[in-house]
Amino acid sequence: KQEVTQIPAALSVPEGENLVLNCSFTDSAIYNLQWFRQDPGKGLTSLLLIQSSQREQTSGRLNASLDKSSGRSTLYIAASQPGDSATYLCAVDPGNEKLTFGTGTRLTIIP
Amino acid sequence: GAVVSQHPSWVICKSGTSVKIECRSLDFQATTMFWYRQFPKQSLMLMATSNEGSKATYEQGVEKDKFLINHASLTLSTLTVTSAHPEDSSFYICSALDPREHQETQYFGPGTRLLVL
Repeated sequence: KQEVTQIPAALSVPEGENLVLNCSFTDSAIYNLQWFRQDPGKGLTSLLLIQSSQREQTSGRLNASLDKSSGRSTLYIAASQPGDSATYLCAVDPGNEKLTFGTGTRLTIIP
Repeated sequence: GAVVSQHPSWVICKSGTSVKIECRSLDFQATTMFWYRQFPKQSLMLMATSNEGSKATYEQGVEKDKFLINHASLTLSTLTVTSAHPEDSSFYICSALDPREHQETQYFGPGTRLLVL
């Protein structure tokens, strides 16, 4: 059974700093991995999707990497802003669109 | 991107009543939708896959008679929590696959918060 873990569970950093969120998964047989953002009491917004054959994806200040063999992914956020405060979730897809989500990292950017 | 809506956004009900939650794809037709549940401070857990025109498939441990799913049209799936109890209080989120894009693209609804008293 796939298990997805995110460390740290919570993170607070001053505005402007760069930061890294971590995601690990136990079964490397994945089709893709996604990073989502969830604001309190809201649904999910997809940030980045990395196919299993890819090493990284970039969108604006966000960069996600994937090391499938070691079961790890990182989300790098550059020049953090207060608006980046949210919970970040990673999720893996084994190929049937049934996503297994991580436990999430609650990020707070301090102005 | 595509838009998925849910109704209601929140609901409070008495124990023993049934609650219906709607998930709609607003600008595309979705043959497949998913229902997730999220308990406080926990991650999303897949409950079931809703397939238009056929029976839903449920994940292990999810009671199909308690969580009735109906995907009657290509734009609407409903989740009915029957005889709700306080332990069913949770945040329910649906997602829909947009067939116009890559197969793995899921669009999530804003969620429905259910509180059973």
